[in-house]
Amino acid sequence: AQSVTQPDIHITVSEGASLELRCNYSYGATPYLFWYVQSPGQGLQLLLKYFSGDTLVQGIKGFEAEFKRSQSSFNLRKPSVHWSDAAEYFCAVGPPDVPAGNKLTFGGGTRVLVKP
Amino acid sequence: DAGITQSPRHKVTETGTPVTLRCHQTENHRYMYWYRQDPGHGLRLIHYSYGVKDTDKGEVSDGYSVSRSKTEDFLLTLESATSSQTSVYFCATQGVSRGSGSDQYFGAGTRLSVL
Repeated sequence: AQSVTQPDIHITVSEGASLELRCNYSYGATPYLFWYVQSPGQGLQLLLKYFSGDTLVQGIKGFEAEFKRSQSSFNLRKPSVHWSDAAEYFCAVGPPDVPAGNKLTFGGGTRVLVKP
Repeated sequence: DAGITQSPRHKVTETGTPVTLRCHQTENHRYMYWYRQDPGHGLRLIHYSYGVKDTDKGEVSDGYSVSRSKTEDFLLTLESATSSQTSVYFCATQGVSRGSGSDQYFGAGTRLSVL
């Protein structure tokens, strides 16, 4: 069965510092990969996704993620964090079928706190 | 943002009572999903629908049923609520596109407390 692990439950980062969130997955084949962000009291918003091709993908809000097949990882990065980036971040995988993203499996989430 | 409305937004109920949560969409998306969110578990799929009257079970479907009689509405029912069903419930929708597929859009959630 597929699974997604986000090893860091909480991360605290200073404003302006870089951020990296880890995501490892277990899947029979290369799945479709996603990162979502959830602000307090809100639903989830898609940050970026990887289906195929270039393993470095760019998303919204200045985020990027790199797919590493050999490590079964899809880590999320941002070079300079803003206070508004404080939120919970979820990595997800889905079967490589159309429609992509069907029946997603989510990681447990990483809560990011931003210090002034 | 996709037009997804979940109702109610908050509900407190007692063990053993039936509860129905509603998800309404205005995007004419074919696919609709119900997830529950619990600390440390992320979101887990309860049920999903791939068309009117077409539904299937997800990872944590026990104790839940769904119905979809119209494209725009997807109902989640707890026939007899238990304390373990205290959670935040999210509805999501997804259209159909060729190639690399389409995104899931999420509603704002319903916070359910079963006492």
